[in-house]
Amino acid sequence: DAGVIQSPRHEVTEMGQEVTLRCKPISGHDYLFWYRQTMMRGLELLIYFNNNVPIDDSGMPEDRFSAKMPNASFSTLKIQPSEPRDSAVYFCASSQSTGGRSPLHFGNGTRLTVT
Amino acid sequence: AQSVTQPDIHITVSEGASLELRCNYSYGATPYLFWYVQSPGQGLQLLLKYFSGDTLVQGIKGFEAEFKRSQSSFNLRKPSVHWSDAAEYFCAVGTGTASKLTFGTGTRLQVTL
Repeated sequence: DAGVIQSPRHEVTEMGQEVTLRCKPISGHDYLFWYRQTMMRGLELLIYFNNNVPIDDSGMPEDRFSAKMPNASFSTLKIQPSEPRDSAVYFCASSQSTGGRSPLHFGNGTRLTVT
Repeated sequence: AQSVTQPDIHITVSEGASLELRCNYSYGATPYLFWYVQSPGQGLQLLLKYFSGDTLVQGIKGFEAEFKRSQSSFNLRKPSVHWSDAAEYFCAVGTGTASKLTFGTGTRLQVTL
């Protein structure tokens, strides 16, 4: 299995621009999670999906952030417009549908820099 | 809501020395507990997990962890550290009612030769 695949690995953009991060989960995994990692705040859960449906988006910082999962093999996290404080590493993770018992499988992340 | 505390931000050990990384959790019922490791530029990799049963669990790369309910702890141990173990380690807790995990703030391990 190829694991969770994220693209791009690095993204540098200017403030105000739209940014789209992409994720392909492990085949057969019913849950998909988006996390953000910063030095100040550690790992924060932004949103997660079950069977392509958003279940909990309480971690999404504000309306500038949106996430979609149009099918079981693809998800996007979009920031529009981007701001310097959005600079972070964004991780996608997937898991099987076993509730809190299920370990997460992480992608290698997208390092976003907003100048 | 559950929470996880990793009291040590940074730990340095010599290669060959033993290691213990601390993790305390807060949750009213029996939690599901995990340790993950993150190498620079990489995502998090699962080291081991505890669901129930034997309170001492073995993981990959020679790591083990012990669940102590009375202390609300799940400390990670390794008898002899290798230079390649230098990384950041995260403890996480999951519950039966939700699929999301709550992560600690991480402990950065440095290994000196």
